[in-house]
Amino acid sequence: EAQVTQNPRYLITVTGKKLTVTCSQNMNHEYMSWYRQDPGLGLRQIYYSMNVEVTDKGDVPEGYKVSRKEKRNFPLILESPSPNQTSLYFCASSLLGQDLIRRTGLPRGAQYFGPGTRLTVL
Amino acid sequence: AQKITQTQPGMFVQEKEAVTLDCTYDTSDPSYGLFWYKQPSSGEMIFLIYQGSYDQQNATEGRYSLNFQKARKSANLVISASQLGDSAMYFCAMSPGYSSASKIIFGSGTRLSIRP
Repeated sequence: EAQVTQNPRYLITVTGKKLTVTCSQNMNHEYMSWYRQDPGLGLRQIYYSMNVEVTDKGDVPEGYKVSRKEKRNFPLILESPSPNQTSLYFCASSLLGQDLIRRTGLPRGAQYFGPGTRLTVL
Repeated sequence: AQKITQTQPGMFVQEKEAVTLDCTYDTSDPSYGLFWYKQPSSGEMIFLIYQGSYDQQNATEGRYSLNFQKARKSANLVISASQLGDSAMYFCAMSPGYSSASKIIFGSGTRLSIRP
């Protein structure tokens, strides 16, 4: 089954304790992205990656790190979490380019989302 | 700066009526893609429909259609014959550029509630 998985789904932690949220996709997608969702603000992009070893900042990258060492994995790292990083986090992936329509019927940029990770930082 | 605006925080609609969810966007890129996603109360994000900036016709997917007015920079979602299962948050999003997806910008969302 084609899917994006995130772990953990729920996490309560304390300020300053480093944590990693994992994201993995089994669809051989080039593009992966992390978002945070906060009430009234919609989804805001944290980081995205166009392919292995290629990452770039989204709109709210401060306090986060990412890496893309393998095509299927895109972990989100919070080196020193703070309470303002309490949020719902989504990982997403998609194909790029003309392959997209041919292989999936989905248009470019249409993303598969993971189930979300609810993070609380005390 | 690129921006997506959804001005309706919440809407109530009677079952079987059509509903229009508003979305306006701002970009200086000549090429871009516009999307709508649905988020039910269970939390997952579901892709609904896509419109490319050079597409000549409005996109349609079953009961969903996108009313694309390029000059007005609007991309409203129209749901025909609404159903109880349409109750959800709806997000409009934009992807600048044509050849690939890069930064994706989402609006703040509209919560749609369908009354029986």
